[in-house]
Amino acid sequence: DAKTTQPPSMDCAEGRAANLPCNHSTISGNEYVYWYRQIHSQGPQYIIHGLKNNETNEMASLIITEDRKSSTLILPHATLRDTAVYYCIVRVGSGNTPLVFGKGTRLSVIA
Amino acid sequence: GAVVSQHPSRVICKSGTSVKIECRSLDFQATTMFWYRQFPKQSLMLMATSNEGSKATYEQGVEKDKFLINHASLTLSTLTVTSAHPEDSSFYICSARPPGIGVNSPLHFGNGTRLTVT
Repeated sequence: DAKTTQPPSMDCAEGRAANLPCNHSTISGNEYVYWYRQIHSQGPQYIIHGLKNNETNEMASLIITEDRKSSTLILPHATLRDTAVYYCIVRVGSGNTPLVFGKGTRLSVIA
Repeated sequence: GAVVSQHPSRVICKSGTSVKIECRSLDFQATTMFWYRQFPKQSLMLMATSNEGSKATYEQGVEKDKFLINHASLTLSTLTVTSAHPEDSSFYICSARPPGIGVNSPLHFGNGTRLTVT
């Protein structure tokens, strides 16, 4: 079973920041938080991951709470092309193991 | 960046026939690849782990004789759906993780193969 909880859906106005929350209250000390997204009829796309520090790359920012029990993915300026299902996944950071997907959040960016 | 390629992207076959799906890591070697299946409006479900040079390991409930996996080289894994039936119609996705970057390096996914069995 997935170890994360996400809202099933969210809307965001085009050009505004999209903040996607994720709860992972049972996360272990050696587990990383990964975010992927899946645009309709495509394979999942890696976005970002982190352990405990906040992370930023060209796609998004990841904010992890100090107790690591939750995180937020931030898309700073959402566009229509960001409409997708976003998956938050926790995984031990060792070994070549698969990802276990939950139901994710369906983000709709509205013009 | 790391690229995983799948072929074909779409396939339609008749019930009872077999279909082969290829997954290639284009710019890295992958001793392990993962195969997922996704039904409409559902999340990805892991089917099996493909290991180069050895037998694949299957998740509970996945028939190994129906979904044949061959990992013949460090850049190619194939999934063959044998004697396909309409209930096998699904979106099949493979993935692999580039080695050497770090143990927490991300998994990269192919663009999926949509199988329709008529």
